[in-house]
Amino acid sequence: TQLLEQSPQFLSIQEGENLTVYCNSSSVFSSLQWYRQEPGEGPVLLVTVVTGGEVKKLKRLTFQFGDARKDSSLHITAAQPGDTGLYLCSPGGSNYKLTFGKGTLLTVNP
Amino acid sequence: IAGITQAPTSQILAAGRRMTLRCTQDMRHNAMYWYRQDLGLGLRLIHYSNTAGTTGKGEVPDGYSVSRANTDDFPLTLASAVPSQTSVYFCASSFSGASGDEQFFGPGTRLTVL
Repeated sequence: TQLLEQSPQFLSIQEGENLTVYCNSSSVFSSLQWYRQEPGEGPVLLVTVVTGGEVKKLKRLTFQFGDARKDSSLHITAAQPGDTGLYLCSPGGSNYKLTFGKGTLLTVNP
Repeated sequence: IAGITQAPTSQILAAGRRMTLRCTQDMRHNAMYWYRQDLGLGLRLIHYSNTAGTTGKGEVPDGYSVSRANTDDFPLTLASAVPSQTSVYFCASSFSGASGDEQFFGPGTRLTVL
């Protein structure tokens, strides 16, 4: 049983479009982190969400933690080529430390 | 240096050879980690260390060993490389090792075992 499911696995869109990617599980997490990995580099933390229902905004990126703390979404408004990368979620909690989803590979075409 | 450095950047290795991947951080973080990243399998934890002098096994530890003699360095050794160890290897560190701590990643080492 996979701990985390990220969807879609691949997403290719045009510059200016909006998109949402998801991180889902049947388990409850104490927190959840989103990382972005650009080609040829290591992942970089974007945000940590902690409270059920929490919404955090980072410029054009909006992160939401589900009310039951089992899922999270990342919405990007007016995507730009610089948003291209692999988006990874990682749950918090003593039983899930250091686990990552397989990620969503986003390509934003100019 | 600032952050985490890894060496080498890439390496082609004959099967059966011994190889050590180096990782150094200058942030005085207590915890350090080694991951491998494979297409379709994501990032998988190999070994970790919550503090100097201690190490632990992750999800895929077989064929790898680590040591943590000091805070800054966390080398990963492949005693006898096999082709299935072809991967991109990332070293990371975090302040305390607590769940939810931000992890800082190095640029990765691309290893090919022939």
